[in-house]
Amino acid sequence: AQSVAQPEDQVNVAEGNPLTVKCTYSVSGNPYLFWYVQYPNRGLQFLLKYITGDNLVKGSYGFEAEFNKSQTSFHLKKPSALVSDSALYFCAVRDIRGSTLGRLYFGRGTQLTVWP
Amino acid sequence: DADVTQTPRNRITKTGKRIMLECSQTKGHDRMYWYRQDPGLGLRLIYYSFDVKDINKGEISDGYSVSRQAQAKFSLSLESAIPNQTALYFCATAGSNTGELFFGEGSRLTVL
Repeated sequence: AQSVAQPEDQVNVAEGNPLTVKCTYSVSGNPYLFWYVQYPNRGLQFLLKYITGDNLVKGSYGFEAEFNKSQTSFHLKKPSALVSDSALYFCAVRDIRGSTLGRLYFGRGTQLTVWP
Repeated sequence: DADVTQTPRNRITKTGKRIMLECSQTKGHDRMYWYRQDPGLGLRLIYYSFDVKDINKGEISDGYSVSRQAQAKFSLSLESAIPNQTALYFCATAGSNTGELFFGEGSRLTVL
């Protein structure tokens, strides 16, 4: 079955420091991977995706993610965190099998807090 | 105006009442989804639709039903609401084959 795991419920980092939010996946076949961010009282917003090609994917707001096939990981990174990055982050994998094509499976989310 | 609009944004109701959450989109997407968000559980798929005549159950469809009235409209119904259906509900759309989801702002439902 397709699934993703976010091993950390919470990540705390000081402003200006690099941040990493971890995600590992389990899929049949090649993965389509996504990161979304949710600010308080808002819907989820797309950050970036990996479909194929370069393992380092750049997205919105200075975020990037590195796809690592051997470790089945897709960690979200930012070189220098901002207080405004504080939010709930979700990793997701897209089902590419015929009968359930297009479904996204989400991780449980990681709450990122960046303190001044 | 938002591309994916959900109504109502907040609703408080009593056990046993029928509730409908509505979603409309202006993105022209074929695919529409209803998710439920609970703290610590992430998002779980309730129902999804790839076309007006296509309805599919997700992970947690029991106690819910949906209607795809048109390409742009996808409504979620709780025929007889119960307290453990208290949650934040999201509608989402997707257009392309590799496509990301576009979410509405959510409908917070409280069942007393």
